Amino acid sequence: GENVEQHPSTLSVQEGDSAVIKCTYSDSASNYFPWYKQELGKRPQLIIDIRSNVGEKKDQRIAVTLNKTAKHFSLHITETQPEDSAVYFCASTDYQKVTFGTGTKLQVIP
Amino acid sequence: DSGVTQTPKHLITATGQRVTLRCSPRSGDLSVYWYQQSLDQGLQFLIQYYNGEERAKGNILERFSAQQFPDLHSELNLSSLELGDSALYFCASSPTSGGPGTDTQYFGPGTRLTVL
Repeated sequence: GENVEQHPSTLSVQEGDSAVIKCTYSDSASNYFPWYKQELGKRPQLIIDIRSNVGEKKDQRIAVTLNKTAKHFSLHITETQPEDSAVYFCASTDYQKVTFGTGTKLQVIP
Repeated sequence: DSGVTQTPKHLITATGQRVTLRCSPRSGDLSVYWYQQSLDQGLQFLIQYYNGEERAKGNILERFSAQQFPDLHSELNLSSLELGDSALYFCASSPTSGGPGTDTQYFGPGTRLTVL
């Protein structure tokens, strides 16, 4: 089955710096790659997603890049703010299943 | 607020028991997905229903079952509960019939199940 590896598991950055989280997947049939932000005790919330026919997508301070050949995709957060502190999950999906990464706990230090 | 509702918010039960978790999707959404989030196994996709029929299946145990009713709400039934079933159970909904990889999903607030 699909295997999604996510790194790092924890990440501390100073407010204003950038944060990068990387995921690799194994199933070449995967075609949709969402990223979720989950605050403690809350629901996962979609923050950005990318489909397999696109290499990069940006939404204000958040961007995602996808390299289908290498089977990896990354989340980039610029100008981090304390409210960005949360656990971030990547996911790899096709039409039949979705597999999540193990999560990255991001701490933004004021 | 995503518009997806789940009840109950918390559930405490004993090993061997059976429980039912309920989910109401966003207005207009026809697909419901169930997920389990535990410390051991992370976030796992269990099953998807679309307009009353099973659409996709993930890592759902045989002791677990789900259904979607004509009014589109869904129930997840967990039986012969074990300590390891303690987890947060989320449902999510989306508008269309495509599998997990075709639609943006909106998560509910979750049901925290504790098995003692």
